[in-house]
Amino acid sequence: NAGVMQNPRHLVRRRGQEARLRCSPMKGHSHVYWYRQLPEEGLKFMVYLQKENIIDESGMPKERFSAEFPKEGPSILRIQQVVRGDSAAYFCASSPPAGQGLEQYFGPGTRLTVT
Amino acid sequence: ELKVEQNPLFLSMQEGKNYTIYCNYSTTSDRLYWYRQDPGKSLESLFVLLSNGAVKQEGRLMASLDTKARLSTLHITAAVHDLSATYFCAANTSGTYKYIFGTGTRLKVLA
Repeated sequence: NAGVMQNPRHLVRRRGQEARLRCSPMKGHSHVYWYRQLPEEGLKFMVYLQKENIIDESGMPKERFSAEFPKEGPSILRIQQVVRGDSAAYFCASSPPAGQGLEQYFGPGTRLTVT
Repeated sequence: ELKVEQNPLFLSMQEGKNYTIYCNYSTTSDRLYWYRQDPGKSLESLFVLLSNGAVKQEGRLMASLDTKARLSTLHITAAVHDLSATYFCAANTSGTYKYIFGTGTRLKVLA
């Protein structure tokens, strides 16, 4: 059973470009979470999604950031018009449907560098 | 709003010594997690603690939970170099899947 997959693992963007980060949850998992980790800091919750629904986006910046988890395909975290402060590691996690387990399983992360 | 604090932030210890990392959280939480992160890597789940008085052990690591004090501890026994990593605790906002992470404890075990 493959774990949580994220791609790309490393992404370099110039200021003003768009960044698209992808996350494929573990098989059978219907919940996806995105976190951001700045250097030397802990993980900060960004958004929690189920298929076709955003459940909690209280950690998402109001502008330039968006997330989706379509019926088919991976979850996407999109950052428009990136700035240097967006440079960070972005981790995706997934968990089973409610009642089938409590843990979140983390992917390897995407390290975004904005030049 | 749930806040999670860890201390110490940095810990340098000799091999063979014991030490404890503390994790305090500010409001009611359903569960408490401990993770390990090696530099440049993802998070590895160590323990999930669900109830008051819960204690779990794996090798040289033991985690406990006191929900009344809103405190979890990660105890390291007879540290070895391989335990060098950053350790995070995380708690969920009660009734939700939203995890709040502590700032992490960077542990360095010296030979």
